[in-house]
Amino acid sequence: KAGVTQTPRYLIKTRGQQVTLSCSPISGHRSVSWYQQTPGQGLQFLFEYFSETQRNKGNFPGRFSGRQFSNSRSEMNVSTLELGDSALYLCASSPSLPPQAFFGQGTRLTVV
Amino acid sequence: DQQVKQNSPSLSVQEGRISILNCDYTNSMFDYFLWYKKYPAEGPTFLISISSIKDKNEDGRFTVFLNKSAKHLSLHIVPSQPGDSAVYFCAASGGDVAGGTSYGKLTFGQGTILTVHP
Repeated sequence: KAGVTQTPRYLIKTRGQQVTLSCSPISGHRSVSWYQQTPGQGLQFLFEYFSETQRNKGNFPGRFSGRQFSNSRSEMNVSTLELGDSALYLCASSPSLPPQAFFGQGTRLTVV
Repeated sequence: DQQVKQNSPSLSVQEGRISILNCDYTNSMFDYFLWYKKYPAEGPTFLISISSIKDKNEDGRFTVFLNKSAKHLSLHIVPSQPGDSAVYFCAASGGDVAGGTSYGKLTFGQGTILTVHP
């Protein structure tokens, strides 16, 4: 089986712009979740989608949003980028049970 | 409020010896626990997991122990190999909460850097 695929791998954006990141889950996995990793805060949960519905949400501002399509592929969007949004963004897909999340390689976002 | 804690930022062991990585949690709703290995600029790789109905789970060189009363879990790697050198994260997820499910949300510890010396 192919693993979780995230695109793009690297991205440089300017403060104030918006960005969209993409994630293709493992075939058959209906749950897709997103995480932000920064040196100071570690791995922080952003949100989770299951069957096109947001099922869980972390403590991030409304500038961070996501969606899931009928084929389980997911996108996350960050609007009005701030310097502090520079991070490694990770997508994970999970089977229904057990809750073992399998991660993609991540997208390294740099905001300048 | 950090609900999952890895109090040792780093651990150094000799090749062939045992590596023991520790993790503590505070949320009693957590009932599934996982360990991941991570290299810089890559996504975490799933290693092993344990449900709260068990106290031990083995997979090859990796064993996870869970002490529910102490809210503590540990990962044992025996024997340790230089290729095991990486950052190790423990993570926890919970069951049904307020009619929904939080299994899709993992709460991670801050990680422990393991270095295995040849």
